[in-house]
Amino acid sequence: QITLKESGPALVKPTQTLTLTCTFSGFSLTTSGVGVGWIRQPPGKALEWLALIYWDDDKRYSPSLKSRLTISKDTSKNQVVITMTNMDPVDTATYYCAHRYALQAGGAFHIWGQGTLVTVSS
Amino acid sequence: DIVMTQSPDSLAVSLGERATINCKSSQSVLYSSDNKNYLIWYQQKPGQPPKLLIYWASTRESGVPDRFNGSGSGTDFTLTISSLQAEDVAVYYCHQYYSAPYTFGQGTKLEIK
Repeated sequence: QITLKESGPALVKPTQTLTLTCTFSGFSLTTSGVGVGWIRQPPGKALEWLALIYWDDDKRYSPSLKSRLTISKDTSKNQVVITMTNMDPVDTATYYCAHRYALQAGGAFHIWGQGTLVTVSS
Repeated sequence: DIVMTQSPDSLAVSLGERATINCKSSQSVLYSSDNKNYLIWYQQKPGQPPKLLIYWASTRESGVPDRFNGSGSGTDFTLTISSLQAEDVAVYYCHQYYSAPYTFGQGTKLEIK
């Protein structure tokens, strides 16, 4: 059974750097075709894809946020970490990590974590 | 970027009636190499993460009731719920994973009339 869980601070101040960790089980990020992505959702608003890292360390970023994002993986800990610099109140959102695998559900973001709400406020 | 536009933004349907949600992409999401549309439909209930309903535009995920159907190709897609049940009240999103950045529609809120 695949599970993912996001963790990190619930509150950050403007200009600070946010670091979120996705800890997963039930799959390996060394398996060909596997990826873990981050998606966020401001309160009452739509979903926004942020970044994706693949088993081979290929990384993709949202162009609008690329300068602020870094995604990395630690396969020994079954974790994916995303950092976002220079946080602003508009970055207040629930942040989700999600699993994708080329041979499941057409390679879509298939299994999602429950999400973690991050509020940016002084 | 591929822009995903859903219509309507909200929809109220009587129990047992049909609900139809449309999604239009600004570019085709049909991969010629495998003839598949890289289009997903998600259902999201309050306080929950999105749940995958349909992938490849028309393939129902395992365990999803057969009242949920996806159709369309290229740039125009539709999610149809054939007979609305109370548990179908949710926000529905279309999502393209044809090319990065992987974009979502703005969502359609489905309610009971």
